[in-house]
Amino acid sequence: QQQVKQSPQSLIVQKGGISIINCAYENTAFDYFPWYQQFPGKGPALLIAIRPDVSEKKEGRFTISFNKSAKQFSLHIMDSQPGDSATYFCAASMGQSGGYQKVTFGTGTKLQVIP
Amino acid sequence: DTEVTQTPKHLVMGMTNKKSLKCEQHMGHRAMYWYKQKAKKPPELMFVYSYEKLSINESVPSRFSPECPNSSLLNLHLHALQPEDSALYLCASSQVLGGAPVWQFFGPGTRLTVL
Repeated sequence: QQQVKQSPQSLIVQKGGISIINCAYENTAFDYFPWYQQFPGKGPALLIAIRPDVSEKKEGRFTISFNKSAKQFSLHIMDSQPGDSATYFCAASMGQSGGYQKVTFGTGTKLQVIP
Repeated sequence: DTEVTQTPKHLVMGMTNKKSLKCEQHMGHRAMYWYKQKAKKPPELMFVYSYEKLSINESVPSRFSPECPNSSLLNLHLHALQPEDSALYLCASSQVLGGAPVWQFFGPGTRLTVL
């Protein structure tokens, strides 16, 4: 029940195209859904995040779509650029009694944007 | 200052060595985390400290010993590690807000190799 399933494992997109990564979860106790971007040799960086009472959130070229009834959410990267080439992790987090969040990560998607 | 710093960047140690990883943040965050990340895998939570007290230990072997000497510092003491412990060790921090989602900010990680 703590799993977050992510697909595809890898993705190749042409420059200017749309990159789409999908995730699904089971545990309805998750209350926050962040996406992290990780470049080789670096730590994950928070990209965009959404709460389950919102169906869509857009920040620049990045959009999260959230379907609470289907327990699915996705990341869309519009006008994909070579600099977007990285590994993307979806995640689901749950508040703990101590006030911090416990994060469960998806398995990751390696995105390559080709010129 | 919105940065989590980690030292050293790289560490090579033998199975009989004792070494320590250090993490520091000056964002006023009162929750700090250690994660382990193997190649092409998502980060796995090891420990969580909230208000300098150990709140979560994800059944980590005793050869890993965390320490939180103050609200800005987090250490991970290593002793008698095995080659399979070679990984990227990530530190993260977040606010502690009762009932509200919080972002976790990650450091760049320490690349550990156990010979």
